[in-house]
Amino acid sequence: AQSVTQLGSHVSVSEGALVLLRCNYSSSVPPYLFWYVQYPNQGLQLLLKYTTGATLVKGINGFEAEFKKSETSFHLTKPSAHMSDAAEYFCAVSGASGTYKYIFGTGTRLKVLA
Amino acid sequence: DTAVSQTPKYLVTQMGNDKSIKCEQNLGHDTMYWYKQDSKKFLKIMFSYNNKELIINETVPNRFSPKSPDKAHLNLHINSLELGDSAVYFCASRPQGSPGTEAFFGQGTRLTVV
Repeated sequence: AQSVTQLGSHVSVSEGALVLLRCNYSSSVPPYLFWYVQYPNQGLQLLLKYTTGATLVKGINGFEAEFKKSETSFHLTKPSAHMSDAAEYFCAVSGASGTYKYIFGTGTRLKVLA
Repeated sequence: DTAVSQTPKYLVTQMGNDKSIKCEQNLGHDTMYWYKQDSKKFLKIMFSYNNKELIINETVPNRFSPKSPDKAHLNLHINSLELGDSAVYFCASRPQGSPGTEAFFGQGTRLTVV
């Protein structure tokens, strides 16, 4: 069964600093991986996803993530944090075709300090 | 035109009442989900329907009953509401048989049981 683990329920960075949010997955089949952002009192918005092909995936708002099979990781990064990046971030994994599972990690709250 | 819409956005009710949350998607997707987000922001899958058929039922109390009148709608009915049911409930949809495709989320329904 697929699952994802997000290390660090809270991450604080200074404005302009590197953002690194960690996600590790567990899957017996090639995983499909997603990162979402949730701003306060809003729904979930897709940042980026990995399906097949290029392991470095670029998303919206300057975020990117690298799929590393050897490390079973899909960490989210952004070179320079903005105040507007403060939000909850979720990693998700999709089951193989036919399973319909779409499972989320526990989330990481990103705080950006002025 | 909203892709996944939920009504109501806010719902305040007393313990013991019965309430329903409605969800509609205009994306032509076959698969729909209900998730519960608790106060710690954990997103837990509750149900998944594919073409009006229940596919996933994740150890949810039988006070919760999903209903899918057609593949564009997935409603959630909750009987005998309890304080612990207070949470934000999200509806989502995805195309069938496309594990690499992301789920699209509604804006959520904040349920408060008093």
